[in-house]
Amino acid sequence: QVHLQESGPGLVKPSQTLSLTCTVSGGSISSGSYYWSWIRQSAGKGLEYIGRVYTTGRTNYNPSLESRITISVDMSGNRFSLKLSSVTAADTALYYCARGHRGNDFPDWGQGTLVTVSS
Amino acid sequence: SYVLTQPPSVSVAPGKTAKITCGGDNIGSKSVHWYQQKPGQAPVLVIYYDTDRPSGIPERFSGSNSGNTATLTISRVEAGDEADYYCQVWDSSTDHIVFATGTKVTVL
Repeated sequence: QVHLQESGPGLVKPSQTLSLTCTVSGGSISSGSYYWSWIRQSAGKGLEYIGRVYTTGRTNYNPSLESRITISVDMSGNRFSLKLSSVTAADTALYYCARGHRGNDFPDWGQGTLVTVSS
Repeated sequence: SYVLTQPPSVSVAPGKTAKITCGGDNIGSKSVHWYQQKPGQAPVLVIYYDTDRPSGIPERFSGSNSGNTATLTISRVEAGDEADYYCQVWDSSTDHIVFATGTKVTVL
């Protein structure tokens, strides 16, 4: 059973870059036909797909965020990361990492980490 | 971009059946996945590939998908089923993941 754990600063200043890491345990990030995603949820709102990265390094990003996002994978560290630049208060949200399966479903999620954008 | 539409809320009495719809253009041609999210918790996959249940999900949860509507059905509703439910698809034309806005299920 794979386990995902998000980590990173809980407070980021406006215009700065939000950086989060998702550490995978209980399995290798490089095994199987999976990809690794970030999904966020603003307070009282629904789920928003941010993007995903494959172990080949290929990425796919939400077009509404694409100009500000970088998602990368660290195979040796068994983890993947999210960088979101030029943040504003609208980026305040609970950020989840998740493992995507070949059917593009997400059976495995981290517990989520709250990031607040505020000066 | 592909748009999914869910009703904001559904109310159901214990022991009855709840049906949550997810509308989208020709959604029947896509694979639909459903998630349950309880307050303060991460989403849990309850239905994948339109009709399949992950291990550990009660048989009371079932799904269907045809035409422009996918449906999550919860039979013999229990108080513990009270949660937000989200449908999700992969849009092949853009290679993007799309979530609907979610439906809050209230058990009366």
